[in-house]
Amino acid sequence: QITLKESGPTLVKPTQTLTLTCSFSGFSLSTRGVGVGWIRQPPGKALQWLALIYWDDDKHYSPSLKSKLTVTKDTSRNQVVLTVTNMDPIDTATYYCARSPPNCGSGSCYPNTFDMWGQGTMVTVSS
Amino acid sequence: ELVLTQSPGTLSLSPGERATLSCRASQSINSHYLAWYQQKPGQAPRLLIYGASSRSTDIPDRFSGSGSGTDFTLTISRVEPEDFAVYHCQHYWNSPPNTFGQGTRLEIK
Repeated sequence: QITLKESGPTLVKPTQTLTLTCSFSGFSLSTRGVGVGWIRQPPGKALQWLALIYWDDDKHYSPSLKSKLTVTKDTSRNQVVLTVTNMDPIDTATYYCARSPPNCGSGSCYPNTFDMWGQGTMVTVSS
Repeated sequence: ELVLTQSPGTLSLSPGERATLSCRASQSINSHYLAWYQQKPGQAPRLLIYGASSRSTDIPDRFSGSGSGTDFTLTISRVEPEDFAVYHCQHYWNSPPNTFGQGTRLEIK
């Protein structure tokens, strides 16, 4: 059974750095082609793709937020960490992590959907 | 950056009716890399359709996806009460960012 769960502060002040941890089970980030992504959703608004880290430590970021985001993995602990610097009230949102399953042929691996999601964690930015 | 535009913003239907939701891309994408998700209030999104037309695990066959190029459709053949939710499309073609559409809300008429 695959599960993911986000953890971190529920309230941060403007200009602070947010650190969120995604703890997962039922799969390994050392498996070829697997990725873990971060997506957020401001209240009542659309999903926003933030970042994705793959099994081989390949990392991708939303261009508009690249300067604020860092994603890292700890394969042995089955965790992925997202840091968001210089938090602003517009960063108030529910933050989700999700698994991107492997999609590999004999040679290359290809992008994939998010097939399993965490429950999400609501983060409010306010002084 | 590729933009996905979903329409309508809100769709009001009665149970038993047919639902047709649209997702239009700002540039042509490989249909192998278009997904649909369902999101109910207070819950995380759930993968419904991947590769534009393949149902994910345990998704009822009243849900179907179609389309190619820039125009994609999610169809619910007969809407059940549990289907009232927000539906999101997402592309995952080429390198990230793999953007989402703004969502279509399916509400009870």
